[in-house]
Amino acid sequence: AQSVTQPDIHITVSEGASLELRCNYSYGATPYLFWYVQSPGQGLQLLLKYFSGDTLVQGIKGFEAEFKRSQSSFNLRKPSVHWSDAAEYFCAVGAPTGANNLFFGTGTRLTVIP
Amino acid sequence: GAGVSQSPRYKVAKRGQDVALRCDPISGHVSLFWYQQALGQGPEFLTYFQNEAQLDKSGLPSDRFFAERPEGSVSTLKIQRTQQEDSAVYLCASSLDSTEAFFGQGTRLTVV
Repeated sequence: AQSVTQPDIHITVSEGASLELRCNYSYGATPYLFWYVQSPGQGLQLLLKYFSGDTLVQGIKGFEAEFKRSQSSFNLRKPSVHWSDAAEYFCAVGAPTGANNLFFGTGTRLTVIP
Repeated sequence: GAGVSQSPRYKVAKRGQDVALRCDPISGHVSLFWYQQALGQGPEFLTYFQNEAQLDKSGLPSDRFFAERPEGSVSTLKIQRTQQEDSAVYLCASSLDSTEAFFGQGTRLTVV
């Protein structure tokens, strides 16, 4: 069965500092992998996705993520955080066949301090 | 439309009341998903449509939950005899080719 673990419930970083949000998944094969961001009262916005190929994927807003098969991880990174990045971040996995409904982690809340 | 639209944005229901939540997907999107997001949790899959066919309803938590998409466009999620544990944000998403889902802003349901 698919599962997603985001071990950090809450992370606080200073504006301008680098960021890494962790995500580990469990799946029988290589899944589709996603990172979504959710601001308060808003829906989910896709930051980036990985299906195959280059294991380092670039997304919107300066985010990137690296797929590491050996570690079953798909960590999200940003070299310099902006105050507007404060939000909830969700990692998700989807099956590469069928409906591709998503299995989400419990999320990591990011606080950015000046 | 420009995005996935959900209505109402907020709904307060008395316990035992029936509610209906509406989702207008992006025009032309074949796939439509409903998710439930409890407070402090990630979204959890409820059900999936491909056009008007409901192909997966394995995530619906009880037979009080019912979803339909009769013409393959707008979808309605209905909850009968609401309970307090139904309080959550209900998210709708649509997809053209099942590789990227676009989410609406959700409906926050509070059962009192």
